[in-house]
Amino acid sequence: NAGVMQNPRHLVRRRGQEARLRCSPMKGHSHVYWYRQLPEEGLKFMVYLQKENIIDESGMPKERFSAEFPKEGPSILRIQQVVRGDSAAYFCASSPSTGGIGSKNIQYFGAGTRLSVL
Amino acid sequence: GQQLNQSPQSMFIQEGEDVSMNCTSSSIFNTWLWYKQDPGEGPVLLIALYKAGELTSNGRLTAQFGITRKDSFLNISASIPSDVGIYFCAGLLEGAQKLVFGQGTRLTINP
Repeated sequence: NAGVMQNPRHLVRRRGQEARLRCSPMKGHSHVYWYRQLPEEGLKFMVYLQKENIIDESGMPKERFSAEFPKEGPSILRIQQVVRGDSAAYFCASSPSTGGIGSKNIQYFGAGTRLSVL
Repeated sequence: GQQLNQSPQSMFIQEGEDVSMNCTSSSIFNTWLWYKQDPGEGPVLLIALYKAGELTSNGRLTAQFGITRKDSFLNISASIPSDVGIYFCAGLLEGAQKLVFGQGTRLTINP
């Protein structure tokens, strides 16, 4: 049973270019989360998606960042006109469901995409 | 926003020693999770805690969900070289789906 798959593992972009990060959730998981990690820091929540719906984007920067999780295919995190400050590791996680109180919403993480902006 | 204070930030120990780290918050969490991250990899789940007071073990690892629901600790007994890495606590607020992470504890082991 394959885990959460992210690609590419490493991405180099020049300032002003676009970065597209892909995430395929674990088989049977319909909930996807994106987190960002700066060096020597913990992960920071960005966005939570279900198929074709953005549920919570409270951690997304207001400009240049967007995310989608189409009916078919992987979830995409898109960063337009990248700047040096976007350099970070971006992690995707998936869970089978969110459920209600007492449910066990375990999020499983991919290996991440390390974005370097030159 | 919510914040988890994780300590210590780093630990340097001898192989075979026991390790203890903890996380505290001013907010009440519904679920506490402990992850380990190796260099260049994503976080891997070690232990999940769902009830206040719950004590759960996974091999040499033991974690507890604090009674006040505002803290958790992780103990590692008889450390071995493969325990090296960064350990993160993470919490879920009730009704929320986004994990709040601590700053991490970097564990280094001298053989």
